This record gives sequence, structure tokens and C-alpha cells, in this order.
Amino acid sequence: SAVISQKPSRDICQRGTSLTIQCQVDSQVTMMFWYRQQPGQSLTLIATANQGSEATYESGFVIDKFPISRPNLTFSTLTVSNMSPEDSSIYLCSVEKDRGPTGELFFGEGSRLTVL
Amino acid sequence: AQSVTQLDSHVSVSEGTPVLLRCNYSSSYSPSLFWYVQHPNKGLQLLLKYTSAATLVKGINGFEAEFKKSETSFHLTKPSAHMSDAAEYFCVVNWGYGQNFVFGPGTRLSVLP
Repeated sequence: SAVISQKPSRDICQRGTSLTIQCQVDSQVTMMFWYRQQPGQSLTLIATANQGSEATYESGFVIDKFPISRPNLTFSTLTVSNMSPEDSSIYLCSVEKDRGPTGELFFGEGSRLTVL
Repeated sequence: AQSVTQLDSHVSVSEGTPVLLRCNYSSSYSPSLFWYVQHPNKGLQLLLKYTSAATLVKGINGFEAEFKKSETSFHLTKPSAHMSDAAEYFCVVNWGYGQNFVFGPGTRLSVLP
């Protein structure tokens, strides 16, 4: 298994500001994932973060808006830049253990962001 | 594109009665299948997973799911609902290539006293 800690757990931010979310895993993992969960919605993958390389972004997400760092095998950050009320969501960090078709995802408890 | 369907956005049951949450997926290959639960203000927790072993999978908290290849379904069941089961449930499919995990839209389970 994997234990994932996210900070902050929740925040209220002003329009136009930026917020960085931290994700710490209790073991080394190759790939870390960042998801967004808009109110009442399912999860949407923002990007995949590999240590030592640029993050890979999904369609509709760009690096300028959601820069990601992955400095080592247990840590990653996601920044939500120049926020607007539409960015109000839960942002979830996830890792995959046992890479391959039988692997499962483990999630942090999420960072609940409200933009005013 | 591969897709996951959860036909019911909301299911409401009385405490002590059976639970059925439905999941169907589009099929090109044999996938791995997962059910996750999300309680209010919490992250997602794995309930159970199917990875091509027994078609009837038992998970935590009395939940189980049956993989039916002919129906491309992986419905989640529990014989007797408990108040603590009230949560959002996500069916997730991993086809094992590309960006693996595809999430269903979720089903909100309400349990009435």
C-alpha cells in the first residue's frame, strides 16, 4: 500500500492568486498523478509526474496554469496559477503501486480549494 | 475511446436492505476493474479489484462485485446496507495501456434509517 499526505487540506483563495499543493508519499514511486474533482463530478486527470522529467499533461490542461514539480521519488507539488472561481475543486494526488494492468491507485485525502 | 458507465447517479436504500450499484464498460480488451469509495471530505479508498482471477471478488466492509465479461459489467453489491455506507462510489477501469485508469461518473449512495 501507500500512504499519501497532502497539504493544505483546504484553502480559500482570492481570484488571481496562486496556490501550491504538496504531496508526500511514504515510499518511492515512479509515477505520481494529479487529479481534479469539480463539485459533484468524477475525477479528471490533470497530469502525470515522473521524477526527473517534465510532467505529461492531459488534454485541456497546460503547464502555465498547472505547473508541477517532482524533485524526488516521494514528493510532488501542483500549483494552481492565476486562480478563478472555476478552479474551485478538490485536487487529489495519487500513486500507482505494482505498475501494470493489475496495479491500483492510492489517493491522498485531497486539497479542497475555494476561489472567491 | 474507452469509457465507463455508472447508470445511476444516485441510489437510495433503507438500512439493512441490499445495495446494487451498476457499472458497465466499453470493451476492446480485458481490463482490470476497481471500485473506490469516497466518503464526505475524504480521499478515495479502494473497496475491491478484479484482475482476471475469480470473477466474484470480495472487498472490504462486506462489499463484493461480479465480473461478467459477456455483459461487460462489474456491478457492486452488499447484502445489507449500513448507515456508514453512505458515500460516493466510483467504478474505475484499467485497460493496461496509455493513461490507464478511466473513472466512471460516480454513484451517490444514500442510506435511510
